[in-house]
Amino acid sequence: QVQLVQSGAEVKKPGASVKVSCKASGYTFTSYGISWVRQAPGQGLEWMGWISAYNGNTNYAQKLQGRVTMTTDTSTSTAYMELRSLRSDDTAVYYCARDAQIAVAGFFDYWGQGTLVTVSS
Amino acid sequence: EIVMTQSPATLSVSPGERATLSCRASQSVSSNLAWYQQKPGQAPRLLIYGASTRATGIPARFSGSGSGTEFTLTISSLQSEDFAVYYCQQYNNWPPERTFGQGTKVEIK
Repeated sequence: QVQLVQSGAEVKKPGASVKVSCKASGYTFTSYGISWVRQAPGQGLEWMGWISAYNGNTNYAQKLQGRVTMTTDTSTSTAYMELRSLRSDDTAVYYCARDAQIAVAGFFDYWGQGTLVTVSS
Repeated sequence: EIVMTQSPATLSVSPGERATLSCRASQSVSSNLAWYQQKPGQAPRLLIYGASTRATGIPARFSGSGSGTEFTLTISSLQSEDFAVYYCQQYNNWPPERTFGQGTKVEIK
């Protein structure tokens, strides 16, 4: 069965960076994309960006351009999301999700369990 | 960026009743529209994609309709496990940025 297992919760200081991992299993990793979605406490869902696990192409949300980098390691079927220059409003649960489309970001058919990132001084 | 607007923000429904949720796009997204269900403390779950295609394992009481800028998610007879927050999401070809609606909370009346 398809599974996405994310790394554990993080507490970071403002200005620091965080890198969240997402290990995929149960499907051919390079046949899909991975999107990252975050959810601030009590708020809705915000799409952060997408990476093709096939060729590494990326597409980031405009508001995060320059602060976010998404990568994959096909040898371990793992996706990574790094967010830099953290601010308090980056406090959120971060989800990875399998993206049903490989050429561009699409819709998300399987989700990781979420990783809470808390930014606090 | 395509702005997705959901209505109402909260819908109070009795078990067994029908629920109708709306989602409007600020420009046409054709049929590139998905719906998700999220329960407290859980990751979202894909319900509908392509505006009207149920995802694997989704009960037939969930149905989606619409195209262009106006979309509807209907739950024909609400079960206790259906009380949750529902989000629409567009994945139109251009612009490449994906956006969600702000969500509709379906609560017990």
